[in-house]
Amino acid sequence: DAMVIQNPRYQVTQFGKPVTLSCSQTLNHNVMYWYQQKSSQAPKLLFHYYDKDFNNEADTPDNFQSRRPNTSFCFLDIRSPGLGDAAMYLCATSRGHSAGYTFGSGTRLTVV
Amino acid sequence: GESVGLHLPTLSVQEGDNSIINCAYSNSASDYFIWYKQESGKGPQFIIDIRSNMDKRQGQRVTVLLNKTVKHLSLQIAATQPGDSAVYFCAERLSYSGGGADGLTFGKGTHLIIQP
Repeated sequence: DAMVIQNPRYQVTQFGKPVTLSCSQTLNHNVMYWYQQKSSQAPKLLFHYYDKDFNNEADTPDNFQSRRPNTSFCFLDIRSPGLGDAAMYLCATSRGHSAGYTFGSGTRLTVV
Repeated sequence: GESVGLHLPTLSVQEGDNSIINCAYSNSASDYFIWYKQESGKGPQFIIDIRSNMDKRQGQRVTVLLNKTVKHLSLQIAATQPGDSAVYFCAERLSYSGGGADGLTFGKGTHLIIQP
């Protein structure tokens, strides 16, 4: 089935140690999004790629970066994770502005 | 320091009853709205959507109502079942500005509990 896949489901990283989360899609959607969702809060958009064009939200910390090497894959890099970065990270895709969104199951990040 | 999560509003209903979940959205320029269901440890699951040129849309056991005058969205779930227990989020998208694709802005969420 076409879907959005996030790996790993659970990630534990050390304070200050760079970590990468991955997202892949078989939907051939041209837009990919990363959201951060902290406990008991709503998902918050970090950034998105429209094709190869990167769009950063104004309040996304510099500690968060993203890469999209091809249509199918998108990565979230956290350069120096702090305790406050512990959260669920959700990847989503869409065909463009006129279409709906498909979410992955998320990666739960723990910082120790 | 450690961040403290916000407590979500909770709605508790008896199994078989109807439930209404409300949401106030923030931007009058939003043109597309979605309701999502999120179960513990999972990603948001699409329930129903509505565009700003409509005021009501029905799906299977769900109805979304949109009141643009007061920027209010509601989700009605008929004949609730135990599997409906989850957190429900409304989400809005700003109208297309021609600059590409816009992401969603999510509301705070409501925890729906179905009592047996």
